[in-house]
Amino acid sequence: DTAVSQTPKYLVTQMGNDKSIKCEQNLGHDTMYWYKQDSKKFLKIMFSYNNKELIINETVPNRFSPKSPDKAHLNLHINSLELGDSAVYFCASSQSGTSGYEQYFGPGTRLTVT
Amino acid sequence: AQSVTQPDIHITVSEGASLELRCNYSYGATPYLFWYVQSPGQGLQLLLKYFSGDTLVQGIKGFEAEFKRSQSSFNLRKPSVHWSDAAEYFCAVAPTQPKLIFGAGTRLAVHP
Repeated sequence: DTAVSQTPKYLVTQMGNDKSIKCEQNLGHDTMYWYKQDSKKFLKIMFSYNNKELIINETVPNRFSPKSPDKAHLNLHINSLELGDSAVYFCASSQSGTSGYEQYFGPGTRLTVT
Repeated sequence: AQSVTQPDIHITVSEGASLELRCNYSYGATPYLFWYVQSPGQGLQLLLKYFSGDTLVQGIKGFEAEFKRSQSSFNLRKPSVHWSDAAEYFCAVAPTQPKLIFGAGTRLAVHP
């Protein structure tokens, strides 16, 4: 029943490792996003995909690589993890059109890099 | 550059008191405007949105917000706060592209 789901909910790993976060939405939306929330709760967009095409790519290190296998899924792969990557990562989705900016968020994945 | 300012980092109110959370935005035109709430350890839930039309919008959980073009503001209000309203509140704008620009958030604490 969950509209936007993310796995895992918690991820603890060491510096230098590679990890992935998965996101799935069952709302039938055509646009998906990744946001990063830092330790001060500041939220910033990282990427957005519309119909599997990358449409927003903010100034994110190229160690971060999103992949959208289909409209309902958007994964985030992070190479060579650094301490500064520790954050909560939120996936969101929306339907393009007049209400296309109304985004629905997943529960977040708390990434801790040690 | 577009930006969103939430001047109050922390607000404490007594249960039953009224609430107003401030939000100002910087953008050339009228953007789409949103308020989200984040309870501890949770994701973000949309409270309400403004696209156009009536400048007073109603949302869920008894919240409302008023858009004032002359002040570039979109303040969130609730006439009587409940203890369960304690959370982090984020104002966000969506300019021309489908991304949200968030304010820094306002943490609301509710005294019994």
